[in-house]
Formats: sequence, structure tokens, C-alpha cells
Amino acid sequence: DAKTTQPPSMDCAEGRAANLPCNHSTISGNEYVYWYRQIHSQGPQYIIHGLKNNETNEMASLIITEDRKSSTLILPHATLRDTAVYYCIVRVVPDYGQNFVFGPGTRLSVLP
Amino acid sequence: DTGVSQNPRHKITKRGQNVTFRCDPISEHNRLYWYRQTLGQGPEFLTYFQNEAQLEKSRLLSDRFSAERPKGSFSTLEIQRTEQGDSAMYLCASSLTEGRYEQYFGPGTRLTVT
Repeated sequence: DAKTTQPPSMDCAEGRAANLPCNHSTISGNEYVYWYRQIHSQGPQYIIHGLKNNETNEMASLIITEDRKSSTLILPHATLRDTAVYYCIVRVVPDYGQNFVFGPGTRLSVLP
Repeated sequence: DTGVSQNPRHKITKRGQNVTFRCDPISEHNRLYWYRQTLGQGPEFLTYFQNEAQLEKSRLLSDRFSAERPKGSFSTLEIQRTEQGDSAMYLCASSLTEGRYEQYFGPGTRLTVT
């Protein structure tokens, strides 16, 4: 079973920041938080990951709470092309081949 | 395009037939994963290879499923005696054994069993 919980759906206005929450209250010390997204009819796409520090890349920012029990993925200026299902996953690193365990994710709809 | 590729993209077959899917990972990636995804659900792990060795199989991978990666490059997933419940998207992903460990996914093969 997935070790994360996410809201099933969210809406965001185009051009605004999209803040997607994830709860991972049972996360262990050596587990990273990964975010993927899946646009309709495509394979999942890696977005970002982190351990305890906030991370930022060209796609998004990841904010992890100090107790690491929850995190937020931030898309700073959402566009219509960001409409997708977003998955939050926790995973040990080094992984020794551990697969990703996906939950149902959050369906983000970016509205014009 | 140097990403993960999968063929075919779509496959329609009749119940009881055998089907085979192919995955070509990113060339320097030594790990290859197969997942299955049904409508409205996240991908579910099926099996994974490190080089040519199949190191883990999910309980979802029944005896009718077999996967190979003969030379540690491309992989095939075969389903024998297909059932309607096998209808799903079959996703392949690859990764390195070091670094960020993220998996790169292919576009998937959508199987419909009639």
C-alpha cells in the first residue's frame, strides 16, 4: 500500500500557484519524498524529490515540513499543460531496486 | 529521442490469445521495471531487472506473465492466455543504480482484451 495520502482532486486558476499537499506521517529517516505527474495517456514524469531540505528545480518547488510528516509541491505559475494526476511517493535511497508504490494521486485541473 | 520507448502503443486481442510487449530503456540504465495501470489507479509494480537478472516479481505477476531481458538491454513482457482482466496500460521504466534513482517511464502499451 502507498505510504502517502493526497486529496483526490484540486483546481487551480491558470497563472496562479498550485500547491499540492501530501501526508506521509509514517515516513522513516532514510525515505525520500518523490513527486511524479502523469498527463493523460502518457507515462509518469519525474518532477522533483527531497529528503528534508526544501528543493527547487525548473519545474517545481518541494517544501517538506520540519518533522517530515508532510510536504507540498508548488507549481509557481500553473499553465493548462500542468493539468495532470500528481503522485507523491516515499522511497528509500539507496533503493537497491525498490519499486515506486503509487497511490491514486491528486488530479489537478488548471482552469483558464 | 533518447527516452524509454515501448511497442506497440496499443494492442487489441481476443481472450485466450498471447501477447508480447517490448520496452527499450534509456541506453545507460541498468535497471528496468514493468508496471501495470488500470483506469483511475496509479501504476502497480509487476517486476524489475538489474541488467539481465530478474530480481523481484510482484504477486500480481501470475504464471501467465513472463518477462525477460536477455542481454540486459531491451525487455519483453509476455502474457499468455489473456483474460479480460488483463486489460490495462503496461508501463516500462528504467533507472540507474546510483545518483537520484528516479525512474524514467515510457509512454506505455495499452492492452484491450475483448
